[in-house]
Amino acid sequence: DADVTQTPRNRITKTGKRIMLECSQTKGHDRMYWYRQDPGLGLRLIYYSFDVKDINKGEISDGYSVSRQAQAKFSLSLESAIPNQTALYFCATAMGTSTDTQYFGPGTRLTVL
Amino acid sequence: AQKITQTQPGMFVQEKEAVTLDCTYDTSDPSYGLFWYKQPSSGEMIFLIYQGSYDQQNATEGRYSLNFQKARKSANLVISASQLGDSAMYFCAMREANTGNQFYFGTGTSLTVIP
Repeated sequence: DADVTQTPRNRITKTGKRIMLECSQTKGHDRMYWYRQDPGLGLRLIYYSFDVKDINKGEISDGYSVSRQAQAKFSLSLESAIPNQTALYFCATAMGTSTDTQYFGPGTRLTVL
Repeated sequence: AQKITQTQPGMFVQEKEAVTLDCTYDTSDPSYGLFWYKQPSSGEMIFLIYQGSYDQQNATEGRYSLNFQKARKSANLVISASQLGDSAMYFCAMREANTGNQFYFGTGTSLTVIP
């Protein structure tokens, strides 16, 4: 089984709808991250969490919210989706030292019509 | 200022040849890590190689090596003996200790291996 899973893998929705993307990990890492990827822009950080009680905004948090339900679960919500939130969304986990890589989920491809 | 700069949007290389993908970084933190990831067309992000700021030698992982020039703040990825399966997007990333170990990504380089 994959260490970092994301659901759903693909989602098409309409403008104004509320959407939740879920991420679960079995790696036992404290740190979890949500990124979005747009062509030509690389990965941009939306939110990150260092533990269940520590949640921080990233570079592009407007229009998004998150919930860290447990060490292993980190959800991203779009309260009222808009078309420019159409993107590939990645969840990632990491340990707390600068020598450790991030481990990525498979991504969720979200289309907002 | 950009933390990570990748100046090559697209690169082509002949199969079996070596290719260098450029990455420069910006930090004042003495403790940081540099990472390269591969993203094939299927979309997943695959970790390739890591270089620590205090490492004296360049990192190597199979056909991947990292040309680390600390004074120039560059961390170029070298792929030797390119294969068709190397065609993908490649992202350089940095993790700084003094910003809570956040990761910063470049905009990526698209590599195409020509048979």
